[in-house]
Amino acid sequence: QQKVQQSPESLTVSEGAMASLNCTFSDRSSDNFRWYRQHSGKGLEVLVSIFSDGEKEEGSFTAHLNRASLHVFLHIREPQPSDSALYLCAVSPGTGGYKVVFGSGTRLLVSP
Amino acid sequence: GGIITQTPKFLIGQEGQKLTLKCQQNFNHDTMYWYRQDSGKGLRLIYYSITENDLQKGDLSEGYDASREKKSSFSLTVTSAQKNEMAVFLCASSMGGNSGNTLYFGEGSRLIVV
Repeated sequence: QQKVQQSPESLTVSEGAMASLNCTFSDRSSDNFRWYRQHSGKGLEVLVSIFSDGEKEEGSFTAHLNRASLHVFLHIREPQPSDSALYLCAVSPGTGGYKVVFGSGTRLLVSP
Repeated sequence: GGIITQTPKFLIGQEGQKLTLKCQQNFNHDTMYWYRQDSGKGLRLIYYSITENDLQKGDLSEGYDASREKKSSFSLTVTSAQKNEMAVFLCASSMGGNSGNTLYFGEGSRLIVV
């Protein structure tokens, strides 16, 4: 069964400094990966989707997938205090099923 | 764009009570989902539905029922509320197909059991 783990559990960075979040998954046949963000008391919003090894950039968010090492990273360029939120990694099964598995999240705090 | 509306935002009930959460989407999406989120943690799938009148169990379906009577709506019932079930319940939808599509989420319903 797919396992998705995120690190660190929490991260504090200064405004403007790069933030890097890590997600590891267990099933190498997984075929698509998304990063979501959740502000307190709100639903999840998708930030970036990635389907093949390499990088995918959406605004200030860059996802980096390395399927061989079972890692997908999220880099946030020049984060602002408004980027303080819970960041969740979501991995979809390679068999094309419906069960997306989420990590437990990294709580990011961006200090002014 | 579309929107997912969850009602109520807060649901307070007594232990043992049957409680129902509702979700409406106007994306015209085929697939809808109910997830449970405990205290700032990841999401666990309770039920999903790939089309009207379809129901599929997720990893956490015991103690819950679901109903998809219309394409646009998906409801979740807690059959007998327990205090350890206090969590946020998130409804989501996606285009037809499979999990290759992006999920769009509502803002959540918080269940409080007294």
